[in-house]
Amino acid sequence: DTEVTQTPKHLVMGMTNKKSLKCEQHMGHRAMYWYKQKAKKPPELMFVYSYEKLSINESVPSRFSPECPNSSLLNLHLHALQPEDSALYLCASSQNRDGYGYTFGSGTRLTVV
Amino acid sequence: EDQVTQSPEALRLQEGESSSLNCSYTVSGLRGLFWYRQDPGKGPEFLFTLYSAGEEKEKERLKATLTKKESFLHITAPKPEDSATYLCAVQSTGGFKTIFGAGTRLFVKA
Repeated sequence: DTEVTQTPKHLVMGMTNKKSLKCEQHMGHRAMYWYKQKAKKPPELMFVYSYEKLSINESVPSRFSPECPNSSLLNLHLHALQPEDSALYLCASSQNRDGYGYTFGSGTRLTVV
Repeated sequence: EDQVTQSPEALRLQEGESSSLNCSYTVSGLRGLFWYRQDPGKGPEFLFTLYSAGEEKEKERLKATLTKKESFLHITAPKPEDSATYLCAVQSTGGFKTIFGAGTRLFVKA
């Protein structure tokens, strides 16, 4: 299995809702990432997990809360989002965080209304 | 501060017309330089990793090269299915954050 699976593919949520994005990989990768991508812009790093521990938090607002329950799963909990948070949220994984290319999922298209 | 600049922003080619995309980078020390392909509405697809100046990698019609200041992605005899955004990214030895360039949007017309 050489894939990163993200669910859901599309999500529409109100500003008062709580939702979660899920990401799963079974490649034995020990680093996992969340990126945010706006239209026609490059991916922007949000969080890095290394061996299930939070390694990097790029000053992301607290309305985004990451969680890594085990080495195969990564969640992003969303609460009280703003319309400007609408974007494609990408999960990725790599063998470890030290100089390896990433395998990306197809992303979750999030719309905040 | 680490920086990645890609040029051109967009490139329009006829099928079979070879060309190159450029990625200029500034890092304190290079841990790795990466090329990805991204189709609209999808996640980036990993193409190559380059680690040191002089290194080259090839895959089908694509060839990536690396110098101490820049990387080139050469596309030989492109086909319409090569149309996509090509992203360059770098990771420095100063940390574990991978920074992406803004990308080059490639359009190949039949």
